[in-house]
Amino acid sequence: DTGVSQDPRHKITKRGQNVTFRCDPISEHNRLYWYRQTLGQGPEFLTYFQNEAQLEKSRLLSDRFSAERPKGSFSTLEIQRTEQGDSAMYLCASSHDRDPTYEQYFGPGTRLTVT
Amino acid sequence: AQTVTQSQPEMSVQEAETVTLSCTYDTSESDYYLFWYKQPPSRQMILVIRQEAYKQQNATENRFSVNFQKAAKSFSLKISDSQLGDAAMYFCAYSEGAQKLVFGQGTRLTINP
Repeated sequence: DTGVSQDPRHKITKRGQNVTFRCDPISEHNRLYWYRQTLGQGPEFLTYFQNEAQLEKSRLLSDRFSAERPKGSFSTLEIQRTEQGDSAMYLCASSHDRDPTYEQYFGPGTRLTVT
Repeated sequence: AQTVTQSQPEMSVQEAETVTLSCTYDTSESDYYLFWYKQPPSRQMILVIRQEAYKQQNATENRFSVNFQKAAKSFSLKISDSQLGDAAMYFCAYSEGAQKLVFGQGTRLTINP
């Protein structure tokens, strides 16, 4: 059984550059979530999709952030004009909306460092 | 907005002993779900235990159990017979079904051999 995968695992970029992260959910899961976790803190919700539809976006998701899930499978999260404050772990999770446990399965995360 | 608070940034326990991690939350909803997730160092987050708000019976999973007090909006995690592999960050989380998770700040648990 393949779990949630994320690529890359680590990204170092210079301030002002654009970065894109990819998340591949568990294959039968129709919901996909993005969270951001800074050091020593709990994850904070960014956005989530049901199939290809983006259902909710956090106020944390500024205009520099965009997420897509074009075919209802994998998702990408792009950050434009990165800032040092964007340095964090970006976590992806997936679930199925008919799973009565409502468990979300997390990927290993992409750690972003903006220099 | 819903909030989750974990007031213990760090806890430690002797191996084989019992430890309780605290969590409180705030919501105006009557139907919701509570979770404890474990995040080992440099490893991905996994679910430890979950509780449906409509169930009065406290959830139990092997050495892990919860004390759910709905009126007090309290949801603590008890780990019995602590093992070295239990060392991790533990996050309390809230959701309203298949929606976003709202996490607490986390508690770092250290197991002393």
